[in-house]
Amino acid sequence: EAGVVQSPRYKIIEKKQPVAFWCNPISGHNTLYWYRQNLGQGPELLIRYENEEAVDDSQLPKDRFSAERLKGVDSTLKIQPAELGDSAVYLCASSLYGGHLIEQYFGPGTRLTVT
Amino acid sequence: DAKTTQPNSMESNEEEPVHLPCNHSTISGTDYIHWYRQLPSQGPEYVIHGLTSNVNNRMASLAIAEDRKSSTLILHRATLRDAAVYYCILRPNDMRFGAGTRLTVKP
Repeated sequence: EAGVVQSPRYKIIEKKQPVAFWCNPISGHNTLYWYRQNLGQGPELLIRYENEEAVDDSQLPKDRFSAERLKGVDSTLKIQPAELGDSAVYLCASSLYGGHLIEQYFGPGTRLTVT
Repeated sequence: DAKTTQPNSMESNEEEPVHLPCNHSTISGTDYIHWYRQLPSQGPEYVIHGLTSNVNNRMASLAIAEDRKSSTLILHRATLRDAAVYYCILRPNDMRFGAGTRLTVKP
């Protein structure tokens, strides 16, 4: 069974440019998460979806970040415009649902470098 | 800040047991203790979780203190492939990862 797929794996852009990341979760997983991981730190939750609904986006910087999960499957995270401080690894994860007993499966991440 | 406290780093020799501690003094009655690990250049992967009783699976064992304010992840025989950052997390009431413990395994 395929794991969580993310693309691209690496992205280099200049500041003020837009960028988008794509995530395909494990088939049948209703819950999808986007995390940001800065160098030397643990992942930080940006947004969590239950099917198409964003149930926790309290940590998403809404002035420049947006996300969508159409049809409750794939998801896209966008940054517009990117800033130097957005350089990080963006991780997508999925789980069967959002319960406390359910393990998350993470993708390999997209490493973003903003110059 | 995350609700758990872990040492920044630990070292182990190959084929020896490793005990990774985690303090969670403010754990609530509904929190489960989850452990994940992150290998270099990969996303985190699930290791184990528990509520009150000690738990074993093919990857590791989890020992939970009687008052639930601390727990220990036990790798029975460390291998070089176990070198990773290990995260202790409380679910569902805290979706945050702390900085974790970086485990180095020496041959």
